[in-house]
Amino acid sequence: QVQLVQSGAEVKKPGASVKVSCKASGYSFSNYDINWVRQATGQGLEWMGWMNPSSGNTGYIQKFQGRLTITSDTSISTAYMELSSLTSDDTAVYYCTRGGFGELYWGQGTLVTVSS
Amino acid sequence: DIVMTQSPDSLAVSLGERATINCKSSQTLFYRPTNKNFLAWYQQKPGQPPKLLIYWASTRESGVPDRFSGSGSGTDFTLTISRLQAEDAAVYYCQQYYGTLRTFGQGTQVEIK
Repeated sequence: QVQLVQSGAEVKKPGASVKVSCKASGYSFSNYDINWVRQATGQGLEWMGWMNPSSGNTGYIQKFQGRLTITSDTSISTAYMELSSLTSDDTAVYYCTRGGFGELYWGQGTLVTVSS
Repeated sequence: DIVMTQSPDSLAVSLGERATINCKSSQTLFYRPTNKNFLAWYQQKPGQPPKLLIYWASTRESGVPDRFSGSGSGTDFTLTISRLQAEDAAVYYCQQYYGTLRTFGQGTQVEIK
């Protein structure tokens, strides 16, 4: 069965960077985009960006341009989301999803807390 | 970016009654060559990732009860929950996947009256 397993919770200081991993299994990793979505506590879903593991192509919403980087290592079926210049507003649960007609498969979420 | 706006922000519905959630996009989500609307609906319960309910605006995901239905085309869409059950209390989101950059609506909280 399709699974997306994310790395554990992180605590970062303002101005730092965070890198979250998402290991895929149960399907051919290169055949589907990986998307990243975040959700601050008590808030709505915010779609951040995508990557095609086969081509390496990426796309980020304008809000995150310049400080969001999505990469992947196809040899281990793992995608990464790196967000830099963190502020308290970046405190949220970050999810990876498998692309398709909507986001059918989700990782379990990774809580990133930004605090001094 | 395409902006998605849901209404209402919250609603309270009695068990067995109908709940209706609207979603409006800032540009058309209808792609004429495929005759499809690139619109999905999700349900999210506390502490869980969202669950895909409907895609292509009206196609139910496998295992989703038939009391959930989606309709609409172009820029205006609706999620209807007929015969509301207690387990349907949740936050519902619409999402467009028309372009390579996707966006969600702000969410609608459905409560049991």
